[in-house]
Amino acid sequence: EVVLTQSPATLSLSPGERATLSCRASQSVSNYLAWFQQKPGQAPRLLVHGASYRATGVPARFSGTGSGTDFTLTISSLEPEDFAIYYCQQRSNWPLTFGGGTKVEFK
Amino acid sequence: EVQLLESGGDLVQPGGGSLRLSCAASGFTFSICAMNWVRQAPGKALEWVASISGSADATYYADSVKGRFTISRDNSENTLYLQMNNLRVEDTAVYYCVRRSGGWGDFDLWGQGTLVTVSS
Repeated sequence: EVVLTQSPATLSLSPGERATLSCRASQSVSNYLAWFQQKPGQAPRLLVHGASYRATGVPARFSGTGSGTDFTLTISSLEPEDFAIYYCQQRSNWPLTFGGGTKVEFK
Repeated sequence: EVQLLESGGDLVQPGGGSLRLSCAASGFTFSICAMNWVRQAPGKALEWVASISGSADATYYADSVKGRFTISRDNSENTLYLQMNNLRVEDTAVYYCVRRSGGWGDFDLWGQGTLVTVSS
C-alpha cells in the first residue's frame, strides 16, 4: 500500500500569505497524484490532478508540482475562502490512498 | 445538472447489521464512468472504500471492507450501490459517491455524502 504523508498537519497563516503544503509517497506514484480541498460540512473538491494540472474552475493561485514521491501544493496568496483542509491522493496503485490532510487555519 | 445524490444512510446496530446505500447520477453518461465510494469517519481523513468499472466487469475493495461490502451499479437506472453487511462501529462515517473522470481517472465529481452510524 502506498502511504501518503502530508506535512505540516496544520499551517497557521494570514490572508495574503503564501501556503506551501507537502505530500510524500512511500513509493513512486509517477504523476498520478491529486489534491483536494475540503471545507467544514462539505464534500471534497478536486483542485489539482496529474500532480500539476488545475481542475476546471480552480483559481490560478493554486499550483501543484512534483513527481515520483515528493509533491507540493502552493497557494500563492491566501484568500479568506482558502482556509480549509487539503488532502493529497494517489491513483497509481491499488488500494487508492489519501494523505492525512493539512489544515490551513487563520493565524 | 451534473450531480450525484446519495441516500440510504442510517443508524444501525453493530455485529450483523446491514445497510444498502444508493447514489443517483444525473447530467452525464453514467455507463462510461468508473464509480467509487469514499468514506470519512468523524474528524478523520478520507478513506477509499470501493470502485467499480463502467461496465461493472471489475471491482476493487479496501482490505477493511473486503468480504463485507459489495459495490454494484445499474446503468439503466444511472444508480450506484453499496451493500454493507456485518457492520462494525468503525464503519461509522459519511459515505461519498464519487465519479472518476475519463474511465479510471481522477475523483472529479463528489456527492454530498450520506451518514452511516453503527452504534448500539
